[in-house]
Order: sequence, then structure tokens, then C-alpha cells
Amino acid sequence: QITLKESGPTLVKPTQTLTLTCTFSGFSLSTSGVGVGWIRQPPGKALEWLALIYWDDDKRYSPSLKSRLTITKDTSKNQVVLTMTNMDPVDTATYYCAHLIQLWYFDYWGQGTLVTVSS
Amino acid sequence: EIVLTQSPATLSLSPGERATLSCRASQSVSSYLAWYQQKPGQAPRLLIYDASNRATGIPARFSGSGSGTDFTLTISSLEPEDFAVYYCQQRSNWPPLTFGPGTKVDIK
Repeated sequence: QITLKESGPTLVKPTQTLTLTCTFSGFSLSTSGVGVGWIRQPPGKALEWLALIYWDDDKRYSPSLKSRLTITKDTSKNQVVLTMTNMDPVDTATYYCAHLIQLWYFDYWGQGTLVTVSS
Repeated sequence: EIVLTQSPATLSLSPGERATLSCRASQSVSSYLAWYQQKPGQAPRLLIYDASNRATGIPARFSGSGSGTDFTLTISSLEPEDFAVYYCQQRSNWPPLTFGPGTKVDIK
């Protein structure tokens, strides 16, 4: 079955770069039609899509955060990595990675990882 | 950017009642809309995609309808486990993929 799990620091300082890793199983990112995305959720607030990457290395980013985000994949390790530069306290959120169905919807999600930005 | 608006913000109902949730888009998204359920401390769960297609394993009491700018998620008879927050998401004119602000269904 498909599983995903996020890993990375729980606390980062303002201006630092956040690196999150999504390790998955049950599918391959080298298979046509497959994609993985990142979504975040500030405490008590709504979901916000950040980025996604497809099997063919096509990458899409949220326009409002594009200058700060980089998404990459390591097919051999079954991992997707998201980096976000210049972190700010408003970036405090639970960060989720998720498998894509129909190229644009998220059908399997990781448990999420809470990242706090504070000095 | 397409903005999604959900109403009501909170829906207070009893188990067994019918729930009708609305999602409205600022411009047409055709049928490219999904619904998710999220319980406290959990990741969202995909319920409906392409406006009316139930995701794998989703009970038949959940149904979606609509196209263009107006969409509805209906829960025909609320079960205790259905009390949660529900989000809609569009993919029509992207990036970005956008989510609505959510509707909380709580116990009356």
C-alpha cells in the first residue's frame, strides 16, 4: 500500500533554510503519471499548496512562494525533498507531502510534520 | 488566482441528519474540484475528485455535485465519524492549486 512520511527539523530560526524530506513506499516516481506534492497548514488555519513534482521531473510551484521553494526527487531512494529559504515565523505550520491522483488531487498523505520558526 | 469560498463556516447537525456543504469558485473551474475531510490531528482525506467521483474506499453517503463555479458536497446521513472539517480544492487554472477555507461540521 502507499505510505508517505515527512522528516526534517521541528524548529528553525528566522532567515534559515528549511529542508524537508518525504520518504514514500508503494509507488515509484519513475512511473508515468505519478506525482508528489507538498502542502502546509498553519495552526488552526486552512491548507496551502506549495509545490509538486511529476515522474518526468516537471515541477510546479505556488506563485506566491516560488522564489523561496525548490522541489527535487531521488527516484532511487523513493524520496522527494522540499527546500524553503528565508524562513519566517509566518511559515510555522504542519507540512504534509502527498501522492497525486489524476495529476492534481492528493489521495495519500503523510502524517505531517510541525515546523516552528522562532529565534 | 482562483479563490474558493466555502459556506457555511460551521454547520451544526445531529447524527443521522443530511449535511449540505457549498464551495464557490471566483471563476469557472469546470469540474476540476475535489473535497477533503480532515479530523483534528490528522492529515486530510480525499473524498471526491472531479466534482463527483468518490475516491477509493469512500462510503456512498458522500456525494459531490456541481460544475463551473458552484459545487456541493452532500453527506446523506451523518455518522459520528463524519464530524470534521471539509475543504474543497480546485485545479482548473493553475498554478496555484487552491483550497477553500473549510467548513466545520460539528455536533448539534
